Amino acid sequence: QSALTQPRSVSGSPGQSVTISCTGTSSDVGAYNYVSWYQQHPGKAPKLIIYDVDKRPSGVPNRFSGSESGNTASLTISALQAEDEADYYCCSYAGDVNFDVFGTGTKVTVL
Amino acid sequence: QVLLQESGPGLVKPSETLSLTCAVSGDSVGSSPYYWAWIRQSPGKGLEWIGTLYYSATIYYSPSLKSRLIISVDMSTNELSLRLSSVTATDSAIYYCARRASRLREASFDYWGRGVLVTVSS
Repeated sequence: QSALTQPRSVSGSPGQSVTISCTGTSSDVGAYNYVSWYQQHPGKAPKLIIYDVDKRPSGVPNRFSGSESGNTASLTISALQAEDEADYYCCSYAGDVNFDVFGTGTKVTVL
Repeated sequence: QVLLQESGPGLVKPSETLSLTCAVSGDSVGSSPYYWAWIRQSPGKGLEWIGTLYYSATIYYSPSLKSRLIISVDMSTNELSLRLSSVTATDSAIYYCARRASRLREASFDYWGRGVLVTVSS
């Protein structure tokens, strides 16, 4: 099972918006509307920021939003802040054999 | 509040077996409706799903690791365990345990341990 494809890096200035794509196949992202997203700061464990494509856990700012179209899911960070600088990973269920698959990861840089 | 804490040797020799445990508090690994997973991250690399356990009897393994991997639960201590045999340098990584959503098709992990760094080297 190949990892979901994400851009290696995206960047934006404070206050701007950035969008990260997560491209899979009809066997994972396109088959199940359950993509999740994680934020990981250096030396820390990943943190769940989006689940079920577009739902935010309690405490996650509404600057983070998710969407999905076909085999591609997206994470948008609006009103970018310095603390948003981190690595971001998507994840999708991929069936009984491959089960869960993560994206390749995207480094967000706040200019 | 659910807490997960991984533990195990930081250094393992090539060809030996890596054994890790994940102590869970605030939930019950063997009887909770949630799934429980191991995930690893090689230095400077992305996240890789390793395996998932459900109600102590149903276990899903990564196809690439299945022949070397055993995941189990000790209900008396509420600990999740991982054993990976015949390790090589490519198994060097930070190993995380995490709680996964209770629905089969919902791949979301809401609680994570801090991770334990394992290096495979002679």
